[in-house]
Amino acid sequence: AQSVTQPDIHITVSEGASLELRCNYSYGATPYLFWYVQSPGQGLQLLLKYFSGDTLVQGIKGFEAEFKRSQSSFNLRKPSVHWSDAAEYFCAVGEQGGSEKLVFGKGTKLTVNP
Amino acid sequence: DADVTQTPRNRITKTGKRIMLECSQTKGHDRMYWYRQDPGLGLRLIYYSFDVKDINKGEISDGYSVSRQAQAKFSLSLESAIPNQTALYFCATSGSPPDGEAFFGQGTRLTVV
Repeated sequence: AQSVTQPDIHITVSEGASLELRCNYSYGATPYLFWYVQSPGQGLQLLLKYFSGDTLVQGIKGFEAEFKRSQSSFNLRKPSVHWSDAAEYFCAVGEQGGSEKLVFGKGTKLTVNP
Repeated sequence: DADVTQTPRNRITKTGKRIMLECSQTKGHDRMYWYRQDPGLGLRLIYYSFDVKDINKGEISDGYSVSRQAQAKFSLSLESAIPNQTALYFCATSGSPPDGEAFFGQGTRLTVV
């Protein structure tokens, strides 16, 4: 079965520092990969997605992610974190292609220190 | 207006009661989903529907049922609520693969006492 692992439950960074959130997936075919962000009390917002093509994908709010098939990874990065980036971040894989039946990781909570 | 609307946003109910969570979407998509979020567990799929006549169980369907009243409406019911169903519930809709993006509602926080 497909699975997604986010090794870091909680990460704390200082405002202005760079950020990398890790995501590893298990999926037999070409994966459809997503990063979502959940701000406190809010629903999920799509940051970016990878379906095919260029392995470095750009998303909203200055985020990017790199798909590495050899490492089964899809890590999320941001060069300079803002206080408003404090939230919980979820990596997900589309089980049947696209956004159908998403399988989520357990999430990484990001705290940003001033 | 939101693409995906869930009602109620918050609900406290007693053990053994029947409760329905409602979801409507304005994206015009055929695919709709119900997920449950528990702290430290991420989101898990309860039920999904690929069109009005298609209902499928997800990873954690026990204790839940659904109804797809129309393309735009997908309801989740707890026939006899129990405390371990206390969670944040999300409805979502998506377009057809491969490029269909999933859109999530704001969530319903359900507490069973």
